Amino acid sequence: ETGVTQTPRHLVMGMTNKKSLKCEQHLGHNAMYWYKQSAKKPLELMFVYNFKEQTENNSVPSRFSPECPNSSHLFLHLHTLQPEDSALYLCASSQDRQGINNEQFFGPGTRLTVL
Amino acid sequence: AQKITQTQPGMFVQEKEAVTLDCTYDTSDPSYGLFWYKQPSSGEMIFLIYQGSYDQQNATEGRYSLNFQKARKSANLVISASQLGDSAMYFCAMKEPQGAQKLVFGQGTRLTINP
Repeated sequence: ETGVTQTPRHLVMGMTNKKSLKCEQHLGHNAMYWYKQSAKKPLELMFVYNFKEQTENNSVPSRFSPECPNSSHLFLHLHTLQPEDSALYLCASSQDRQGINNEQFFGPGTRLTVL
Repeated sequence: AQKITQTQPGMFVQEKEAVTLDCTYDTSDPSYGLFWYKQPSSGEMIFLIYQGSYDQQNATEGRYSLNFQKARKSANLVISASQLGDSAMYFCAMKEPQGAQKLVFGQGTRLTINP
């Protein structure tokens, strides 16, 4: 595996379900990110982890719960979601969170549909 | 206030022609970084090119170049000799040092290359 991988690629869940999104980066990076991409809206940063420590929570509802067990893996635990949470969830990584020239590398995303 | 503005929701270009995608930004910080990403229908965000605010020359990367006009706060992406595979969404993004981990994205431009 190379780059940033995400599983599953597609997920359909009911509002009472609990599911998790997984992200793995094979780039030796130290910072990882979750973004939400809704239709007709710019990408929204949700969470940032740097060296496994959460450094940013962009006012995300508690029904989204991130977990970063190590610098290579990032999870997004989902519970009691709403239909408006349906979106493409993108994971990204970068060398670290500092430096304005550190580009972020993105995974292919998980297309989530909440019924 | 919106920090990144992409005024072209959609662009249609004939194959092999050059195309310019517009991006204007707003910041009071003298130090910042500007990025362009491509998002094909598969969903993955692909990094294309980077321009630092202090870079003396416009960035170039193969067929991609950035027309950086600092006084106008614009960072337009130029794609030369367009190809059918260039059809995708294109996003302009900015990173500022105080929020060094945060990429702020524009709304995007959908580029369609016609044969």
